[in-house]
Amino acid sequence: GENVEQHPSTLSVQEGDSAVIKCTYSDSASNYFPWYKQELGKRPQLIIDIRSNVGEKKDQRIAVTLNKTAKHFSLHITETQPEDSAVYFCAASMKDTGRRALTFGSGTRLQVQP
Amino acid sequence: NAGVTQTPKFRVLKTGQSMTLLCAQDMNHEYMYWYRQDPGMGLRLIHYSVGEGTTAKGEVPDGYNVSRLKKQNFLLGLESAAPSQTSVYFCASSKTDNEQFFGPGTRLTVL
Repeated sequence: GENVEQHPSTLSVQEGDSAVIKCTYSDSASNYFPWYKQELGKRPQLIIDIRSNVGEKKDQRIAVTLNKTAKHFSLHITETQPEDSAVYFCAASMKDTGRRALTFGSGTRLQVQP
Repeated sequence: NAGVTQTPKFRVLKTGQSMTLLCAQDMNHEYMYWYRQDPGMGLRLIHYSVGEGTTAKGEVPDGYNVSRLKKQNFLLGLESAAPSQTSVYFCASSKTDNEQFFGPGTRLTVL
């Protein structure tokens, strides 16, 4: 099955700096890669996603890049703010018959220092 | 429009007891999922359903059963709870291959 590895497990940046989180996946047939943000005690919420027919996608301060050949994708947050502090999860969609269940990375705890 | 809701929010069980977690969605989504979240391990798929009356095993199905009798509901059952099932359980739903919407979670402790 699919295996998703995520690095780093923790990341501390100063407010205004950029943050980058990287993920690799194993199943070359995977073609949907969402990123979720989870604040303490809350549910995961989608912040951005990318499909395999696109190499990069941006939404204001957040961008995701995908390298299908190398099977890795990254989340980039620019001009970080204290409210960006949370755990971020990458995921990949297993291309299995009839479903779109996600395989998640183990998460990155991002701390933005004011 | 409540989205995805879960009942209960918290529960403490003794080893060997049984319980059912209820997930409900009002978005008319076909797909529903149950995940468990443990520290440092992300979310792992337990069971999923691609439509009313259908269920299938995910990555960590042992010790759990599910049912999807109505499109809007997805039940997760623990027949004989074990301490290893202490976790936070999240339900999610989606329209085919689009965004998955998560419920607020159920924190389960098995003593």
